[in-house]
Amino acid sequence: SQKIEQNSEALNIQEGKTATLTCNYTNYSPAYLQWYRQDPGRGPVFLLLIRENEKEKRKERLKVTFDTTLKQSLFHITASQPADSATYLCAPVLVAGNNRKLIWGLGTSLAVNP
Amino acid sequence: DTGVSQDPRHKITKRGQNVTFRCDPISEHNRLYWYRQTLGQGPEFLTYFQNEAQLEKSRLLSDRFSAERPKGSFSTLEIQRTEQGDSAMYLCASSWIGGRDPDTQYFGPGTRLTVL
Repeated sequence: SQKIEQNSEALNIQEGKTATLTCNYTNYSPAYLQWYRQDPGRGPVFLLLIRENEKEKRKERLKVTFDTTLKQSLFHITASQPADSATYLCAPVLVAGNNRKLIWGLGTSLAVNP
Repeated sequence: DTGVSQDPRHKITKRGQNVTFRCDPISEHNRLYWYRQTLGQGPEFLTYFQNEAQLEKSRLLSDRFSAERPKGSFSTLEIQRTEQGDSAMYLCASSWIGGRDPDTQYFGPGTRLTVL
């Protein structure tokens, strides 16, 4: 069955450091992959999308990589700030003809300490 | 347009009662999704619509759950004979299938359901 694994433990880092979150998938090949941020009691917010033919995508302090050989995406937040504290969800997208399916990971909780 | 809205934001009900939630998507979006989320879990897919057609419904969804999108705009999710296990956050999202990234979903704030 299709499976996604994100960092199982919450990530605690010091302000100013780089946070790295991992998303591993098995048993399928997504056409692209999205990352979302979710704050407590709120819906997820879209951050970045990376396609299978892209190795890396950047947006301000965010960087996403996509390694289709390792079946892994890494999500980096550089110069982290306490306001970056949230849960980050990985969501690969399978595309088969006209059918598309987005699969959600459980998320990784990030806490940035001042 | 201010994004996806959901109503109510919170609902407390007694076991056995019926509840209905509403979602208003971003106006030009033709796809609408319903998810359920419990603490520490990712969103669990329930169903989605393209315009007014319900294209997919999760096999996990019991017959007590029904959703409609009668005019291809707002949608309602009804849960009949609620059970304590239905307590969760119910999220609505919308997307534009004609855009470059049709699977980027824009979420509403959610409806928190508590079944006593």
